[in-house]
Amino acid sequence: GDSVTQMEGPVTLSEEAFLTINCTYTATGYPSLFWYVQYPGEGLQLLLKATKADDKGSNKGFEATYRKETTSFHLEKGSVQVSDSAVYFCALSDRRGAQKLVFGQGTRLTINP
Amino acid sequence: EPEVTQTPSHQVTQMGQEVILRCVPISNHLYFYWYRQILGQKVEFLVSFYNNEISEKSEIFDDQFSVERPDGSNFTLKIRSTKLEDSAMYFCASAWDGLSNQPQHFGDGTRLSIL
Repeated sequence: GDSVTQMEGPVTLSEEAFLTINCTYTATGYPSLFWYVQYPGEGLQLLLKATKADDKGSNKGFEATYRKETTSFHLEKGSVQVSDSAVYFCALSDRRGAQKLVFGQGTRLTINP
Repeated sequence: EPEVTQTPSHQVTQMGQEVILRCVPISNHLYFYWYRQILGQKVEFLVSFYNNEISEKSEIFDDQFSVERPDGSNFTLKIRSTKLEDSAMYFCASAWDGLSNQPQHFGDGTRLSIL
């Protein structure tokens, strides 16, 4: 079945560092791809999405590009802030059935001042 | 901005008891979902619901689980006879439509602890 694999965490960076969180997927169809973020004590919030190959999703300084050839959707940010500390989830939704989300295991990010 | 709300935020229940988790989806949304996250593990799909019936369910969603939209606003998940392994965070989500490119909006979750 469909699956999503994220880089192992936790990830700890200093403020203003460059961030990459790797995400690769396996899907039999042609999925849409998402990054969700979970701040402490809160639910999952959509961060960005991309629905077709070469699309770039962006929000709050974060970007991810849908790479069909490498089945990847890596999350990047040029300069992280302490407020970016959270758990980040990569997810896909295929085009069959009820479009359920399939999540990666999540990557905990901590940004130190 | 409209939100998905879930109650209670934390539920503690004795093993074997029934539990009902409640969700109020965003008002004009038509597709509803339950997911769960066992501590330290992935967020897993349980069930999707559209037009007053289940669209899809995972193998986790066995006969002990049921969902209902009793009054047009609430969306509930019932576990009939809870087991220790049902302890998890349960997330409700809703979407305006079921297209794969439409994002699902999540509630803050209910932490279910089975003793």
